[in-house]
Amino acid sequence: DQQVKQNSPSLSVQEGRISILNCDYTNSMFDYFLWYKKYPAEGPTFLISISSIKDKNEDGRFTVFLNKSAKHLSLHIVPSQPGDSAVYFCAASYYGGSQGNLIFGKGTKLSVKP
Amino acid sequence: NAGVTQTPKFRVLKTGQSMTLLCAQDMNHEYMYWYRQDPGMGLRLIHYSVGEGTTAKGEVPDGYNVSRLKKQNFLLGLESAAPSQTSVYFCASSDGPPLHFGNGTRLTVT
Repeated sequence: DQQVKQNSPSLSVQEGRISILNCDYTNSMFDYFLWYKKYPAEGPTFLISISSIKDKNEDGRFTVFLNKSAKHLSLHIVPSQPGDSAVYFCAASYYGGSQGNLIFGKGTKLSVKP
Repeated sequence: NAGVTQTPKFRVLKTGQSMTLLCAQDMNHEYMYWYRQDPGMGLRLIHYSVGEGTTAKGEVPDGYNVSRLKKQNFLLGLESAAPSQTSVYFCASSDGPPLHFGNGTRLTVT
């Protein structure tokens, strides 16, 4: 049973517009969430995270929103740039992530068109 | 600063052959991990280690063994490769989140 779900395999947006990537989880024990970006032939790179004690975290053009009651988080990229084209993975962890074990979603491929 | 280095980058094996994937990190991290990525499956944890000399099973450990004899190295072994082990393997290290990943090893088993 998939604990972290990214139901959109792909997303296409125009440069300068907002990209919204969604993630749902089923396990209420998750208390730390991360987004990773992955380019072809490279490893995933950390983008942004959020603890369950917060509902929003911002870092430049990237904002993550957490809705615990809905077990849903989203990543907003504003404005989107062609260099943002990549696969984005949502990941979740227990115990504030102290053990580091992450459960990943299947990823969403974002294409930003010039 | 190299971060997490994986060798080899590519490998083709025949069914039944064995091999070892090497992961090295230079960040003095306590935790190290091996994940595999398959099309449409995301990343799944194979084994992990919370310190030198320790190992533990992840979500998909069958067919793999690991060793952490030195803090900076984490080895993933396939004793008898099977076509189902065709995948991209990623090593990661951390001292708590986030994990820092290497660039992967693409393994094909024919």
